[in-house]
Amino acid sequence: DIVMTQTPLSLSVTPGQPASISCKSSQSLLHSDGKTYLYWYLQKPGQSPQLLIYEVSNRFSGVPDRFSGSGSGTDFTLKISRVEAEDVGVYYCMQSIQLQAWTFGQGTKVEIK
Amino acid sequence: EVQLVQSGAEVKKPGESLKISCKGSGYSFTSYWIGWVRQMPGKGLEWMGIIYPGDSDTRYSPSFQGQVTISADKSISTAYLQWSSLKASDTAMYYCARQAIQVAAPLRAFDIWGQGTMVTVSS
Repeated sequence: DIVMTQTPLSLSVTPGQPASISCKSSQSLLHSDGKTYLYWYLQKPGQSPQLLIYEVSNRFSGVPDRFSGSGSGTDFTLKISRVEAEDVGVYYCMQSIQLQAWTFGQGTKVEIK
Repeated sequence: EVQLVQSGAEVKKPGESLKISCKGSGYSFTSYWIGWVRQMPGKGLEWMGIIYPGDSDTRYSPSFQGQVTISADKSISTAYLQWSSLKASDTAMYYCARQAIQVAAPLRAFDIWGQGTMVTVSS
């Protein structure tokens, strides 16, 4: 399995300040089809996860533009430009380069100071 | 409205069998992969496997291969996750989720999630 490692595991942020989460994969996520199969999810407290970013840097439908993703190969970053109270929860990166073995990172808990 | 509705919480004893369900509505059930994700209490997300209801093509995570069975009945737009012999370590929330589509193109990710089914296995 490809191992996804997130840092930090927890983050306390003042509203209006930026936040950044790193995700590293044990193998390159660049597929021969030219796509990089790296995604970001947010699981708000008591809710099912929701898709934020697909293929490294594309915001999914309805996701605010304060969320952005970047990176390539094995190193990726999710940034929140100005954290809001509604952004609290656990953020997960996920890879799906192998159709039969998608894996999630261990999660980064974001809370508001 | 596109949605996935999962069956209710279950309390079982070790060794018992179980089948939980996930019913899709508001979209063409046979045209999207459906996956299952485990979340043990207080822990992160674990991808278990996926099924394409159109032809029942199924892929399992190596971690779950042989431990669970994923199936689907396209006639009633329902996917299933089943165990033949539960263990205490199967205690978790189980989510089903649908393959995401963006700009008419399929993604290798999930966008629509069920509400989760809590399975508790205890003697």
